[in-house]
Amino acid sequence: DSGVTQTPKHLITATGQRVTLRCSPRSGDLSVYWYQQSLDQGLQFLIQYYNGEERAKGNILERFSAQQFPDLHSELNLSSLELGDSALYFCASSVDGPVTDTQYFGPGTRLTVL
Amino acid sequence: AQSVTQLGSHVSVSEGALVLLRCNYSSSVPPYLFWYVQYPNQGLQLLLKYTSAATLVKGINGFEAEFKKSETSFHLTKPSAHMSDAAEYFCAVSSSGGGADGLTFGKGTHLIIQP
Repeated sequence: DSGVTQTPKHLITATGQRVTLRCSPRSGDLSVYWYQQSLDQGLQFLIQYYNGEERAKGNILERFSAQQFPDLHSELNLSSLELGDSALYFCASSVDGPVTDTQYFGPGTRLTVL
Repeated sequence: AQSVTQLGSHVSVSEGALVLLRCNYSSSVPPYLFWYVQYPNQGLQLLLKYTSAATLVKGINGFEAEFKKSETSFHLTKPSAHMSDAAEYFCAVSSSGGGADGLTFGKGTHLIIQP
């Protein structure tokens, strides 16, 4: 158990809909990262937040957005969903974000778009 | 830009045999390199990381990796495979620039252990 929690574990929805994925980092970790894992694209970095502020952006679509709240939990919002958005979404956290810091991954949320 | 190439999407070894998973990286700055393991229906777990200290890095579960700058490689090895090592393995790279950024992952190598 990494100490990172993600809810829900599974999510099934329809095209065009909007969903919110939630992540609680390990106690004391200030950085939260979101990744998408799909069969065709592999594991891709989406976005990082550090202590409430956006720090780095990866291959995140404009239809996707994230935020980190004062209690440091984070939410990833996916809107106007398409079939291709079906994937496993991971959240990871680290202490304070230097590049050599270890990222601890949650168990993931499996999103299925029908 | 940085990238990671993992040679072999599937590697099969016999129990007790040497495990060798290959990873080559491309980075315009000195890289930081990581190996993660993913068991079925689970998140990723860090095996080991290279952060410009010793070039031979020892990790958990008997794994180790050697950073070779001249070959731009960071191959993962284990002297004797165990059935419990069957999993997906990912090599990842991060830049050494100021601040943090997300990891860039390879496509992964599925390790199969034959009894």
